[in-house]
Amino acid sequence: QKEVEQDPGPLSVPEGAIVSLNCTYSNSAFQYFMWYRQYSRKGPELLMYTYSSGNKEDGRFTAQVDKSSKYISLFIRDSQPSDSATYLCAMIGETGGYQKVTFGTGTKLQVIP
Amino acid sequence: NAGVMQNPRHLVRRRGQEARLRCSPMKGHSHVYWYRQLPEEGLKFMVYLQKENIIDESGMPKERFSAEFPKEGPSILRIQQVVRGDSAAYFCASSPGFGTIQPQHFGDGTRLSIL
Repeated sequence: QKEVEQDPGPLSVPEGAIVSLNCTYSNSAFQYFMWYRQYSRKGPELLMYTYSSGNKEDGRFTAQVDKSSKYISLFIRDSQPSDSATYLCAMIGETGGYQKVTFGTGTKLQVIP
Repeated sequence: NAGVMQNPRHLVRRRGQEARLRCSPMKGHSHVYWYRQLPEEGLKFMVYLQKENIIDESGMPKERFSAEFPKEGPSILRIQQVVRGDSAAYFCASSPGFGTIQPQHFGDGTRLSIL
């Protein structure tokens, strides 16, 4: 079983829809949770970063963490064609005194105008 | 541009040649990470370095691959005697260091193609 599971998609939605992206994980040592957005032929760009369970909002983006269920989500409101990208969840757990990041495989999102 | 800089953006090599990929971290960052990404796959950790030290190389193949981060200059990922299977996008990320948890910031990668 992978430490982090993420549905690869692709996920196609109409412009203006609410998008829900999810990851599950198995390692209880994960403490910090991040979402990255990666456009084609570019590097991952940090979108959201959170530590505790609960919600964190930034503009049209909301990150949700449920540590008891080992489940994290990213919601995108009023989705735009420019949101079309691959979204990677990432988690940090301390390993040997430093913070090692484990990534999901990414969900490809397409927002149709 | 204060972001993570990687060069070259594209690199073509023939089988058996050497590939050198360079990464300059963000200003103020002293920790560098290298990842490999294959099409339709996630980011696979390769190696984590601080200035003049390799901290974790558990994701790097034992043969042909090496990495360094000298006191002066960029971090270098070196692949000797390249094979077709080395074709991938290689990403570098950097972070400030220990203490508080700091997310990694990525460069735009080097796309390596092996003929």
